[in-house]
Amino acid sequence: GAVVSQHPSRVICKSGTSVKIECRSLDFQATTMFWYRQFPKKSLMLMATSNEGSKATYEQGVEKDKFLINHASLTLSTLTVTSAHPEDSSFYICSARDPRRGNSPLHFGNGTRLTVT
Amino acid sequence: RKEVEQDPGPFNVPEGATVAFNCTYSNSASQSFFWYRQDCRKEPKLLMSVYSSGNEDGRFTAQLNRASQYISLLIRDSKLSDSATYLCVVNEGGNQFYFGTGTSLTVIP
Repeated sequence: GAVVSQHPSRVICKSGTSVKIECRSLDFQATTMFWYRQFPKKSLMLMATSNEGSKATYEQGVEKDKFLINHASLTLSTLTVTSAHPEDSSFYICSARDPRRGNSPLHFGNGTRLTVT
Repeated sequence: RKEVEQDPGPFNVPEGATVAFNCTYSNSASQSFFWYRQDCRKEPKLLMSVYSSGNEDGRFTAQLNRASQYISLLIRDSKLSDSATYLCVVNEGGNQFYFGTGTSLTVIP
């Protein structure tokens, strides 16, 4: 079964609204989670690293005021796309690894397909 | 220079064929290696971890060559259902994960 859960799986919103995406680790506590964006036929692009209890680390070119990340607990990170525009339409995916296991792989959420009209 | 390089393909192979993908990495101190499969409009799913001694899971074989700094994935007796993008992921320690671009595979009837 899934070890990382992401919600919602699909959202359609109007331009200018904000959308919150949740990522939960189900079987382990994740002090770190990762957020990615993927455009059609393109590679996964890391947007930011979410750190429990501290500020997220954003990749170059990712606007931190537009993509708000909150990692308030050891099992939940949220990504809020603020004032969404059509160009923000994409597939957003989170991932986390189980820190209890050395060399453990990343587990991905099922992704959120965002369409901004 | 990218941390992880992967031929994007596409690879188009007939059913039953054997196909191999390679992925090179730049950091010799990289610690762990993985192959993921990503279907269209879905999230990546772990296919195999890659161990130093090489490992096999049914028709899939993964190998690590530390001297030449690459990992490989071999798929034997390709099935139509193997059509997907195969993604290599390298961990350089802690939370430092680097992704290849993914290799597109289409198995043709």
